[in-house]
Amino acid sequence: AQRVTQPEKLLSVFKGAPVELKCNYSYSGSPELFWYVQYSRQRLQLLLRHISRESIKGFTADLNKGETSFHLKKPFAQEEDSAMYYCALQGGGAQKLVFGQGTRLTINP
Amino acid sequence: GAVVSQHPSRVICKSGTSVKIECRSLDFQATTMFWYRQFPKQSLMLMATSNEGSKATYEQGVEKDKFLINHASLTLSTLTVTSAHPEDSSFYICSARDSRTGRYEQYFGPGTRLTVT
Repeated sequence: AQRVTQPEKLLSVFKGAPVELKCNYSYSGSPELFWYVQYSRQRLQLLLRHISRESIKGFTADLNKGETSFHLKKPFAQEEDSAMYYCALQGGGAQKLVFGQGTRLTINP
Repeated sequence: GAVVSQHPSRVICKSGTSVKIECRSLDFQATTMFWYRQFPKQSLMLMATSNEGSKATYEQGVEKDKFLINHASLTLSTLTVTSAHPEDSSFYICSARDSRTGRYEQYFGPGTRLTVT
């Protein structure tokens, strides 16, 4: 079964501090992992994808197959990073996404 | 960029009636669209995968006779909640993939808030 776990419902850090949003997954094959973000009063949008290995808005995420994790990191948080973040998995040939429970990130000034 | 719209954004209906929600890809074609349901302070739960010109694929536990999905064109999928009950009140979100590019990215609509009284 495919499962995505985000252990933190809420995360609050101060501006300029490092931030890490945790994501663990369960999948028997080779998954594709994504991070989606939802800013206040906006729709869900893709932040980054593990295969791209890119940094978006200062965020990076590395897929660790040994630990089955895909944590999202940013070295210096900014107030505009405050949002709801969802980790998602796409397994095998399926097009559908399985979402984690989401983490609400709040950056305090 | 790729835009997905939903209509209506909010709807209130009486128990026992049916409600139709539209999902449109405005500037791209989508052979596949997805319907999600989101309860307050919870994550998105996939309800079904909508395939243009064929039957939708429903997730386990989702009643296909209650949540009717029609994907009649490459830019429009509809979700009809039949004989709605208060427990169907929720936030319904659709997403679509761009068929031409084959890109992995799903583009999400703004959602529809359904309240059944």
